[in-house]
Amino acid sequence: GAGVSQSPSNKVTEKGKDVELRCDPISGHTALYWYRQSLGQGLEFLIYFQGNSAPDKSGLPSDRFSAERTGGSVSTLTIQRTQQEDSAVYLCASSLAGTISGEAFFGQGTRLTVV
Amino acid sequence: GIQVEQSPPDLILQEGANSTLRCNFSDSVNNLQWFHQNPWGQLINLFYIPSGTKQNGRLSATTVATERYSLLYISSSQTTDSGVYFCAVGDTGTASKLTFGTGTRLQVTL
Repeated sequence: GAGVSQSPSNKVTEKGKDVELRCDPISGHTALYWYRQSLGQGLEFLIYFQGNSAPDKSGLPSDRFSAERTGGSVSTLTIQRTQQEDSAVYLCASSLAGTISGEAFFGQGTRLTVV
Repeated sequence: GIQVEQSPPDLILQEGANSTLRCNFSDSVNNLQWFHQNPWGQLINLFYIPSGTKQNGRLSATTVATERYSLLYISSSQTTDSGVYFCAVGDTGTASKLTFGTGTRLQVTL
């Protein structure tokens, strides 16, 4: 597609359930990033992919969070045993260059609400 | 890690006014981007500007990398300019991420 696509747009889940968030980057972009934005806050880095590998996972807040990327394209962020503090907008970005020196483009985000 | 500070945190303008938003960063950068987050949460790319000056319509930006700051100029503001403006940088010490400032919340009134 023309831009970064994320699904679902909105997700409401019960505390303790697992959720999967999907990101389709811009075709040909080798770098992919996940960020989280809590209400009224800035963007918090979660994880960076270069191709299918994740050289920087330093932002994942706990071992309940994991992510994978397959075929150098689609990425899935999984949150296990969701907690209320996981409620936030999860944003995905991609860039053409292999390093952060390239311009990054963001998807519209997935708004996650844990009840 | 690199620190990014934006000022002012909040700004209210009357339609037609001009404004300058500032982004200071604490280390050398190889990437600097300005984004506008609209009321629906979408991050819109405004400028990719690790150095130099760019203009796009009523908006322009300047980055002085040696002095570690960037400025975003909005002229003849419109109500559609309302939202949050973020500066984000990639520092030369890491290949992995953009670090975001806390943003400037702009409200343009009639």
